[in-house]
Amino acid sequence: LAKTTQPISMDSYEGQEVNITCSHNNIATNDYITWYQQFPSQGPRFIIQGYKTKVTNEVASLFIPADRKSSTLSLPRVSLSDTAVYYCLVGARNDYKLSFGAGTTVTVRA
Amino acid sequence: DTAVSQTPKYLVTQMGNDKSIKCEQNLGHDTMYWYKQDSKKFLKIMFSYNNKELIINETVPNRFSPKSPDKAHLNLHINSLELGDSAVYFCASSPHSLGQGRRDEQYFGPGTRLTVT
Repeated sequence: LAKTTQPISMDSYEGQEVNITCSHNNIATNDYITWYQQFPSQGPRFIIQGYKTKVTNEVASLFIPADRKSSTLSLPRVSLSDTAVYYCLVGARNDYKLSFGAGTTVTVRA
Repeated sequence: DTAVSQTPKYLVTQMGNDKSIKCEQNLGHDTMYWYKQDSKKFLKIMFSYNNKELIINETVPNRFSPKSPDKAHLNLHINSLELGDSAVYFCASSPHSLGQGRRDEQYFGPGTRLTVT
């Protein structure tokens, strides 16, 4: 399984854009990059997944450079309710096992 | 409307007891999982079942035994509880979508906070 490295914590203010970068230098050819969000006292929730270039949905954008050794989750115009832990996961399509690291605790302040 | 539900939400018990946590999903998914989240918030997979068959069994003490009566349910039974078993246990499910060109997303339940005293 590819190891991921992401910042332990980030602070932001309401209305700002938050970008969380995840390093995965030994990502394999068939690995996908997936981000989950976990609010306090809740289970993780899938946010977005990508393989290369850019993916956007109603919640976030995921930027993946050509070498795929890193990825950046972008949360536009965050609100207080975006305060959560964000996990970057890397793994193959047929790999059922999700490996969660420590994640990045994002704190949004008023 | 609940997709993945777990009972109980909180469980406080004494060392040496046997307890069970139940999980049900109404999403029609083929695969279900149990994860353990410790006090440091690390989330680790314990077991996974696909269509009632065990497909992932991580290094977990034999005191933990999953049981899947049907593909909508995956229960976790723990024998002889120890202090170190205190954690939040999450159940999850995912569709069996091999061949659809993406990695399955997993849907997590609300968690069961187990406290062993």
